[in-house]
Amino acid sequence: NAGVTQTPKFQVLKTGQSMTLQCAQDMNHEYMSWYRQDPGMGLRLIHYSVGAGITDQGEVPNGYNVSRSTTEDFPLRLLSAAPSQTSVYFCASSRLLVGELFFGEGSRLTVL
Amino acid sequence: AQKITQTQPGMFVQEKEAVTLDCTYDTSDPSYGLFWYKQPSSGEMIFLIYQGSYDQQNATEGRYSLNFQKARKSANLVISASQLGDSAMYFCAMREAPVNQGGKLIFGQGTELSVKP
Repeated sequence: NAGVTQTPKFQVLKTGQSMTLQCAQDMNHEYMSWYRQDPGMGLRLIHYSVGAGITDQGEVPNGYNVSRSTTEDFPLRLLSAAPSQTSVYFCASSRLLVGELFFGEGSRLTVL
Repeated sequence: AQKITQTQPGMFVQEKEAVTLDCTYDTSDPSYGLFWYKQPSSGEMIFLIYQGSYDQQNATEGRYSLNFQKARKSANLVISASQLGDSAMYFCAMREAPVNQGGKLIFGQGTELSVKP
């Protein structure tokens, strides 16, 4: 009964370091997405994907890369971390076009 | 342009009373879905209720109901008989369904609800 699994749950980086947040879902959902949550800003969409091989930018894509090589996995890459990327990141998935999003537990990232 | 607006950063309600959390939205797409999520202090996102743009009746799920006024573009969440466990952040969200976008879902800024004993 895994649902959406995010790793790691916590990470501290230094400015300029790179890292990948992993996201996997076992519900065969076509749609996957990444959000960041900052105080007073709600959840803002970073990137999303409507299927393997298809990705698109959301509201705040700068500084992040994604790929979707399989239906199950949707990793989020920070190529050169900046303090402005300190945030809580959520991965979420759903059926295509309809239905609610199923969220992972979140990953708290701190960039020093 | 802001597509989902929650104008109440914080709300207080007495235990056992009803409370309404406001949400207005903006879209030109005739097909869309509206959602409410709850985020307790532990951080997880919990789906509460869904309303489709073509649904004739307001959605209800237990103590939660969605007051959907399509002409006003509002989708307010009503929580009846508030409980202490309802204290949390509440997010309104909208999913548009243009085929070429896959139905991305965007969120409002949230309303923090505090239930007083």
